[in-house]
Amino acid sequence: EFVLTQSPATLSLSPGERATLSCRASQSVSSNLAWYQQKPGQAPRLLIYDASNRATAIPARFSGSGSGTDFTLTISSLEPEDFAVYYCQRRSNWPPITFGQGTRLEIK
Amino acid sequence: EVQLLESGGGLVLPGGSLRLSCAASGSTFSNYAMTWVRQAPGKGLEWVSVISGSGDTTYYADSVKGRFTVSRDNSKNTLYLQMNSLRAEDTAVYYCVKDLPGTTFNYWGQGTLVTVSS
Repeated sequence: EFVLTQSPATLSLSPGERATLSCRASQSVSSNLAWYQQKPGQAPRLLIYDASNRATAIPARFSGSGSGTDFTLTISSLEPEDFAVYYCQRRSNWPPITFGQGTRLEIK
Repeated sequence: EVQLLESGGGLVLPGGSLRLSCAASGSTFSNYAMTWVRQAPGKGLEWVSVISGSGDTTYYADSVKGRFTVSRDNSKNTLYLQMNSLRAEDTAVYYCVKDLPGTTFNYWGQGTLVTVSS
């Protein structure tokens, strides 16, 4: 069974700090890895696709890296609006189309 | 601009059925595979099903296989999810997603809530 494991489950930081979120795949996904941000009551928003490409209108403080099984989402300097839940996904039109369990980024 | 509008959610008894719809606008509907993703209250995202642009290829998560059926009517720009034998654990907000992997093209509807309870 294909699994994406995100860590940590919760990350407590202050505005202006750097956030590093991890996503590990149980088998290689090449670069077919996306990151989403979700705020309460809203649908997820695509942040990063193909591991390291920012989606349309995503600020430069968001960056992604990695390939194969280990991926990282970095937010260089947290803004108040960045506190949300973040999900990684093996992004494909064909299975496995799996999401990680999410990382909650909360204000310290 | 791409817009996706889900409908058909509501309260249903365990063992009951419900059909969700997702009306799409803003781009050529038949050019894109369409996906259903759900989110149980307070939980994470779970992929449910995907259907090819032509509708001739479908896949399901193991948790819904044999109970849910995805379909589409390209003449009406509408995606469907027929849900049978519903269980309490199917309670979730259901999103339809129009996605083109490898690009920045990724659109979600606002979601429709399905509650399975007696």
